[in-house]
Amino acid sequence: EIVMTQSPATLSVSPGERATLSCRASQSVSSNLAWYQQKPGQAPRLVIYGASTRASGIPARFSGSGSGTEFTLTISSLQSEDFAVYYCQQYNNWPPITFGQGTRLEIK
Amino acid sequence: EVQLLESGGGLVQPGGSLRLSCAASGFTFSNYAMSWVRQAPGKGLEWVSGISGSGGSTSYADSATGRFTISRDNSKSTLYLQMNSLRAEDTAVFYCSKGVHSYGYSQFDYWGQGTLVTVSS
Repeated sequence: EIVMTQSPATLSVSPGERATLSCRASQSVSSNLAWYQQKPGQAPRLVIYGASTRASGIPARFSGSGSGTEFTLTISSLQSEDFAVYYCQQYNNWPPITFGQGTRLEIK
Repeated sequence: EVQLLESGGGLVQPGGSLRLSCAASGFTFSNYAMSWVRQAPGKGLEWVSGISGSGGSTSYADSATGRFTISRDNSKSTLYLQMNSLRAEDTAVFYCSKGVHSYGYSQFDYWGQGTLVTVSS
């Protein structure tokens, strides 16, 4: 099973600033990596797939990078609606599909 | 518009059974693999099980193997999860999620709103 590790667990950033979230895989997942945003009481929402492709309707301030075992989600200028929990997910080696434990992005 | 609507959650005693359903609309259901993903209260996301578009291939997390059975009825555009021998640690919101291929696994581009399963005496 591929273990996905996200860091930090909590990230405090001021609106308008840049946020950088990290995700590491225990072995290579190539570019088969997705990021999801989840707000309280809501289902997850796909943000990035293929490590760097924005999902439909996702603003350009969201960008993803990386391949192999190291990945980054960057939000260039945080808006109030961006504060949420973010999860990475690998779909290269399955079963099982695995998720990271999440990074909570909170307002500083 | 793609919609996934889960139902069937509720309170069940340890050792009991429950069958979850997910009614899909807005896309050709049989063309896409589907999965169940759960989230225990205050915890992260855990993939539980997946099924190919045809229904001919299924996979399970270790935590679900031998107790849960995933299935689909493409004529009704409905996904199911039969859960037996339920344990307290199965308490979670269960989400139905849509893949982007008919076989294998990928990102999940649509999710239902979830159904809560509570296992307690």
